Amino acid sequence: SAVISQKPSRDICQRGTSLTIQCQVDSQVTMMFWYRQQPGQSLTLIATANQGSEATYESGFVIDKFPISRPNLTFSTLTVSNMSPEDSSIYLCSSRSTANTEAFFGQGTRLTVV
Amino acid sequence: QKEVEQNSGPLSVPEGAIASLNCTYSDRGSQSFFWYRQYSGKSPELIMSIYSNGDKEDGRFTAQLNKASQYVSLLIRDSQPSDSATYLCAVNPQYGNKLVFGAGTILRVKS
Repeated sequence: SAVISQKPSRDICQRGTSLTIQCQVDSQVTMMFWYRQQPGQSLTLIATANQGSEATYESGFVIDKFPISRPNLTFSTLTVSNMSPEDSSIYLCSSRSTANTEAFFGQGTRLTVV
Repeated sequence: QKEVEQNSGPLSVPEGAIASLNCTYSDRGSQSFFWYRQYSGKSPELIMSIYSNGDKEDGRFTAQLNKASQYVSLLIRDSQPSDSATYLCAVNPQYGNKLVFGAGTILRVKS
């Protein structure tokens, strides 16, 4: 199983600012994903982080708001830009080694925007 | 119709009982199926994966898959208070690499 380190674990940010979340996997993985989880809700996929190319965003999420980088097979970042209180949520990084295999999750970033 | 459906619960069972969690999915060609446990304030943790029809057992956990009925379940035997959590069903559709998650079932095991 992959071990995923995600940081920061939590942050309180001012509206209008940006936060970058980092995700480091302990082995090379084919797929990395970013999710958002609102309190009491299930996981919502934000985007698939593609190594060496632009991320693939799900409906309702755009690159200007959630820019993603993935410079190699073990590392990705998600930036939450121009934050508003509606962005307060838990953000989760996930990886899969290949298709149809298990997904593993980082410990999550609890973001509060004030 | 949601792609992956779960009863949100809460499902309450007494300590020592069998907890039965159910999940249905809409994509008949789905290939792989997973159960995750999520404690409050924590990230999802993989419990079981199942790929073929039938039962798969791991300790107190048994996953059951019926592709014809598009149904996957998780049985927890000898339920413990520490099993109290939200259980997420995840399905890999036939096309694509993105897992689709159900809304989760809250399980409460009462001592």
